[in-house]
Amino acid sequence: KAGVTQTPRYLIKTRGQQVTLSCSPISGHRSVSWYQQTPGQGLQFLFEYFSETQRNKGNFPGRFSGRQFSNSRSEMNVSTLELGDSALYLCASSLVMGQGSGELFFGEGSRLTVL
Amino acid sequence: TQLLEQSPQFLSIQEGENLTVYCNSSSVFSSLQWYRQEPGEGPVLLVTVVTGGEVKKLKRLTFQFGDARKDSSLHITAAQPGDTGLYLCAGESGGSYIPTFGRGTSLIVHP
Repeated sequence: KAGVTQTPRYLIKTRGQQVTLSCSPISGHRSVSWYQQTPGQGLQFLFEYFSETQRNKGNFPGRFSGRQFSNSRSEMNVSTLELGDSALYLCASSLVMGQGSGELFFGEGSRLTVL
Repeated sequence: TQLLEQSPQFLSIQEGENLTVYCNSSSVFSSLQWYRQEPGEGPVLLVTVVTGGEVKKLKRLTFQFGDARKDSSLHITAAQPGDTGLYLCAGESGGSYIPTFGRGTSLIVHP
C-alpha cells in the first residue's frame, strides 16, 4: 500500500513569508502527527491530529499551526518565517497514535530553507 | 530539556565491526522504540520494546530494554555498509502517548 506522502519535498522561502506543507497519510490511518527535525534539536513534536481534531500539541509558538481534513490529509502552516525555522518537517501517520505503542509511519519530509 | 540521551552521537566504523549505541533517560518509559533514518528519507521503525529486561533480535541487530525501563541499547554484529544511517530511540512516558525522540546516533559503516 502507498506510504505517507509529503509535498513539497523541498522549498526555499524568505524571512517573513508563510509556508504550507501537506501530508497524505497511509489509507486507513486517522492519526497524523508532525515533527520538526534539525541537527541541533533532533525530532521535536509539533502537533497531532485525529479525526480532524488537534489532540496533542508540542511547545512551539503560535506561528505553527495545522489542520486535518475529513479524508485524514493534513496540512501544517508556518507564518512569519524565521531563519530558525529551517528544518526537515516530517509527517507521520498511525492507526492508534495517542494510545501508546502505535507504530509511526513517516513520510520523506519537506525540507524548508528560510533565507 | 532532552529526556532521551543517545550516545555516541557519531560513530564511524569499518565493515565487519561490532557496535553498541545507547539510549538513556531518568524517566521510566512505558514503551521504547528504535528507528533508523537513511539520508533523504523519514525514520523507519525497527523495534518496539515494552517489558523491562526485554531482548529482541532482528537479524544482526539486538535490542535490549533496561530492567527499570529507563534505558535501552542497540547492538549491531558484523556491521555492513547498508547499516549506515541515523539511529533514533523514542519513548513514551509520564502518561503521555506522544513519543519523545533522542537526537540520534549517526552511524557510518565503511566498506
